[in-house]
Amino acid sequence: QVQLVQSGAEVKKPGASVKVSCKASGYTFTSYGISWVRQAPGQGLEWMGWISAYNGNTNYAQKLQGRVTMTTDTSTSTAYMELRSLRSDDTAVYYCARSPPFGGYFDYWGQGTLVTVSS
Amino acid sequence: AIQLTQSPSSLSASVGDRVTITCRASQGISSALAWYQQKPGKAPKLLIYDASSLESGVPSRFSGSGSGTDFTLTISSLQPEDFATYYCQQFNSYPHGYTFGQGTKLEIK
Repeated sequence: QVQLVQSGAEVKKPGASVKVSCKASGYTFTSYGISWVRQAPGQGLEWMGWISAYNGNTNYAQKLQGRVTMTTDTSTSTAYMELRSLRSDDTAVYYCARSPPFGGYFDYWGQGTLVTVSS
Repeated sequence: AIQLTQSPSSLSASVGDRVTITCRASQGISSALAWYQQKPGKAPKLLIYDASSLESGVPSRFSGSGSGTDFTLTISSLQPEDFATYYCQQFNSYPHGYTFGQGTKLEIK
């Protein structure tokens, strides 16, 4: 069965960076894309960006351009999201989610990773 | 950027009720819309994609309709496990710039 398993919770200070991993199993990793979506406490869902696991092409949300980098390691079927220059309003649960080929919706989700930014 | 506006923001209903949630896009998005259900502390779950296609394993009481700018999610007969928050999401500009609606919280009356 398809599974996306994310790394554990993180606590970071303002200005630091965080890198969250998302290990995929149960499907051909390179046939799908991976998006990252975050949810601040008590708030709605925010799309952060997308990476093709096939060729590494990326598209990032405009508001995060320059602070976010998404990568994949096809040898381990793992996607990564790094966010730099963290601020308190980056405190959120971060989800990875799979996108079908040529489909921009998300059919499988990771369990979420809480990132807390606090001095 | 395409904006999605859901209505209502919250809704109280009873088991067995028929419920409709609306999602309006700021510009036409064809049928590039999905609906998700999220329960507290859990990841969202895909219900509907391409505006009206039911995801495998999702009960048939869920249905979606619409195209262009106006979309609806209908639950034909509410079950206790349906009380959750629902989000619409557009992917017209694949793979550039997806957006979610602000969510509709469905509560027990």
